Amino acid sequence: DTEVTQTPKHLVMGMTNKKSLKCEQHMGHRAMYWYKQKAKKPPELMFVYSYEKLSINESVPSRFSPECPNSSLLNLHLHALQPEDSALYLCASSQERGRNEQFFGPGTRLTVL
Amino acid sequence: GENVEQHPSTLSVQEGDSAVIKCTYSDSASNYFPWYKQELGKRPQLIIDIRSNVGEKKDQRIAVTLNKTAKHFSLHITETQPEDSAVYFCAATDANFGNEKLTFGTGTRLTIIP
Repeated sequence: DTEVTQTPKHLVMGMTNKKSLKCEQHMGHRAMYWYKQKAKKPPELMFVYSYEKLSINESVPSRFSPECPNSSLLNLHLHALQPEDSALYLCASSQERGRNEQFFGPGTRLTVL
Repeated sequence: GENVEQHPSTLSVQEGDSAVIKCTYSDSASNYFPWYKQELGKRPQLIIDIRSNVGEKKDQRIAVTLNKTAKHFSLHITETQPEDSAVYFCAATDANFGNEKLTFGTGTRLTIIP
């Protein structure tokens, strides 16, 4: 398996909802990432997990909560989001520290009402 | 921190002609420079990358050049085809110390005119 997969593809949620985004890879990669991408903008790094430990948090609001249950899975828990959080959320993975070829998943298109 | 500038923001070329996209970076410690292609509604896809120990890398119709002294790198696409139409992002990072943070340029929307 040479792909990063993400579910769901689309998500619509209200500001009081709690939802989770999921990401999975079976390439044996040990670093996984969450990015947020607004329309016509580059991906913006949110979190990095390296060997299942959080290594980078780009000062993301606490309404976004990442979780790495094991080396193949990455979750992003969402709670009390704002309409401006509507965006494409991309997951990526790379082989390990020092090997920086990052491979992206297809993303989850999130709309917050 | 690293800052990456990318030009032009939009580029239109006739099919069969060449396209060049340029990026400059600010952090002399950066040593890994990937290029991503993102089609509308799709994921960014790594198309080519270069490390600071080489000056040029080619893969069929695409090539990347790196000038460490001037801190700039460029993407060259020859014999352009309609399927090359997409947004292209350059990026830079310091790979030596396990720094996984890629800093992206602002993107170039490339349109190939049939």
